[in-house]
Amino acid sequence: QQPVQSPQAVILREGEDAVINCSSSKALYSVHWYRQKHGEAPVFLMILLKGGEQKGHEKISASFNEKKQQSSLYLTASQLSYSGTYFCGTRGSGAGSYQLTFGKGTKLSVIP
Amino acid sequence: GAVVSQHPSRVICKSGTSVKIECRSLDFQATTMFWYRQFPKQSLMLMATSNEGSKATYEQGVEKDKFLINHASLTLSTLTVTSAHPEDSSFYICSAKVGIPGVNYGYTFGSGTRLTVV
Repeated sequence: QQPVQSPQAVILREGEDAVINCSSSKALYSVHWYRQKHGEAPVFLMILLKGGEQKGHEKISASFNEKKQQSSLYLTASQLSYSGTYFCGTRGSGAGSYQLTFGKGTKLSVIP
Repeated sequence: GAVVSQHPSRVICKSGTSVKIECRSLDFQATTMFWYRQFPKQSLMLMATSNEGSKATYEQGVEKDKFLINHASLTLSTLTVTSAHPEDSSFYICSAKVGIPGVNYGYTFGSGTRLTVV
């Protein structure tokens, strides 16, 4: 089942912060975050495994609440290069379930 | 890092013809390859999963006779769109499952193929 992302779109000024949420109705093994710019393939940001961990990548970090089956992506002090569509991909906890199911995406626009 | 090379990046074909898209893993063995289709401003929709040396598993609603997937080696997977029609125009992306120490599995994407059927 497709995870639900929110918000659908957000506009930020440079330096502002944003949070993108991803929630699933099924038990998850991992959550994967990607950023895609127009006309390009998705670029990997980070993976979070079940266990409620939080990871960081420069000024982008994320958390994963296994019990709530939710993940959040935090972008701080946004830069123009952060613009793009952010997708979360979820992998179920069933045996052999290696495929990712992607949310509908959150379009982030950072303006000067 | 693990790199997947996808070709062609863009292709325009006439209605009724077939188009082959290739994905090669350059520095690792891709035992599993996922094929996605993405329509404008929409999410990535999984079409099929292919494992080296076996038949691909197609998602519900995806015609296996129209979208032929071959994964004959650990470094090459191909998607052939047969008898293409304008409604097949889309962005097709492959993704390989890669092992990551301590994390289990991650996924690396090809650069995508923009198919336009005229």
